[in-house]
Amino acid sequence: AQKVTQAQTEISVVEKEDVTLDCVYETRDTTYYLFWYKQPPSGELVFLIRRNSFDEQNEISGRYSWNFQKSTSSFNFTITASQVVDSAVYFCALSEAKDDKIIFGKGTRLHILP
Amino acid sequence: NAGVTQTPKFRILKIGQSMTLQCAQDMNHNYMYWYRQDPGMGLKLIYYSVGAGITDKGEVPNGYNVSRSTTEDFPLRLELAAPSQTSVYFCASSYSEGSGEQYFGPGTRLTVT
Repeated sequence: AQKVTQAQTEISVVEKEDVTLDCVYETRDTTYYLFWYKQPPSGELVFLIRRNSFDEQNEISGRYSWNFQKSTSSFNFTITASQVVDSAVYFCALSEAKDDKIIFGKGTRLHILP
Repeated sequence: NAGVTQTPKFRILKIGQSMTLQCAQDMNHNYMYWYRQDPGMGLKLIYYSVGAGITDKGEVPNGYNVSRSTTEDFPLRLELAAPSQTSVYFCASSYSEGSGEQYFGPGTRLTVT
């Protein structure tokens, strides 16, 4: 069965520090997709990135970067030079190609302190 | 382009009452989902649909019903509301099965007292 674990329940860092959010997944499928979503204090859910299991290339988007490692079943998310606006709950999610559903982790609440 | 819309935004129900949460999308997505998010928790899938006329149970379907008569609409029905159903409900849609990112509505905050 598929499973997503975000071991960090809550993280606090001072503005401008770098922070990494961990995500470990379990799946028996060889084809799967990984996602990160952001939920700011306003409550909406915002899609950040999708990765398929055949593409282990790391991705960078501005201050955001993602490290996908199949060997450790991890898909970690790093924010560089954090800003107060990055304060949110971040969810990692997994979907198997043969399935119609996405399974979400429990989320990591990130506080960026000014 | 409105994306995914949900109504109402807030609702207070008394125990035993029923209500329907509305969800509509204008992106012509076949896949639609209902989740609930309890305070401080992640998202749990209630029901989903892969197309008009087709629905299936998710992780926590008890106490809920859905229908999908059109591609655009995916209402969630609560029968005999219970305090355990106090939660924020999110509707989402996707252009494909699990490989596609989901687009979420703004959520409905429901309190059952």
